Amino acid sequence: GQQVQQSPASLVLQEGENAELQCNFSSTATQLQWFYQSPGGSLVSLLSNPSGTKHTGRLTSTTVTKERRSSLHISSSQTTDSGTYLCAIDDNYAQGLTFGLGTRVSVFP
Amino acid sequence: EAAVTQSPRSKVAVTGGKVTLSCHQTNNHDYMYWYRQDTGHGLRLIHYSYVADSTEKGDIPDGYKASRPSQENFSLILELASLSQTAVYFCASGTGVYEQYFGPGTRLTVL
Repeated sequence: GQQVQQSPASLVLQEGENAELQCNFSSTATQLQWFYQSPGGSLVSLLSNPSGTKHTGRLTSTTVTKERRSSLHISSSQTTDSGTYLCAIDDNYAQGLTFGLGTRVSVFP
Repeated sequence: EAAVTQSPRSKVAVTGGKVTLSCHQTNNHDYMYWYRQDTGHGLRLIHYSYVADSTEKGDIPDGYKASRPSQENFSLILELASLSQTAVYFCASGTGVYEQYFGPGTRLTVL
């Protein structure tokens, strides 16, 4: 089945620094979503980006479908960005997402 | 207004008991999903549905049943709860083409 690998597993930043999170997947994705999971556990969809480049606020996602990889760039990090970032793939048209284990980001002032 | 709600938000159950987790969406989405999250495994798909009165098995359906009585409602049923089913359960809805939207989660502890 589909496998999703995220790197790094964890990341420590000083406020204001930029970060790049990676997601690699084993088969073609019909949908790719990046999520933020807060320390309290709630899940928020950040971006839906199965191909190309998308921006929202300080976040930029670039997905290269042929190479089966996606990245999430966080610019000018803030302490409120602390949490876990999850990459998820749908490879079979709406039959559910396969998630990576996430990258835990800690931003300190 | 929250578009995907779950109840209860937390529950303690006894081994062998029956547990029902409920999910309600106001997104008018056809697709609904149940996932569980465990440390070390991440989120995994249990069951999903693309139309009322029909459900499909996901990646880890054993020990779980699902029910979709209407477009808005999707339940997850544990007929005989076991210790290994202690986890956080998330419900989601989607159009099938674009992104999925998740509920706040239900923390289930089986003792």
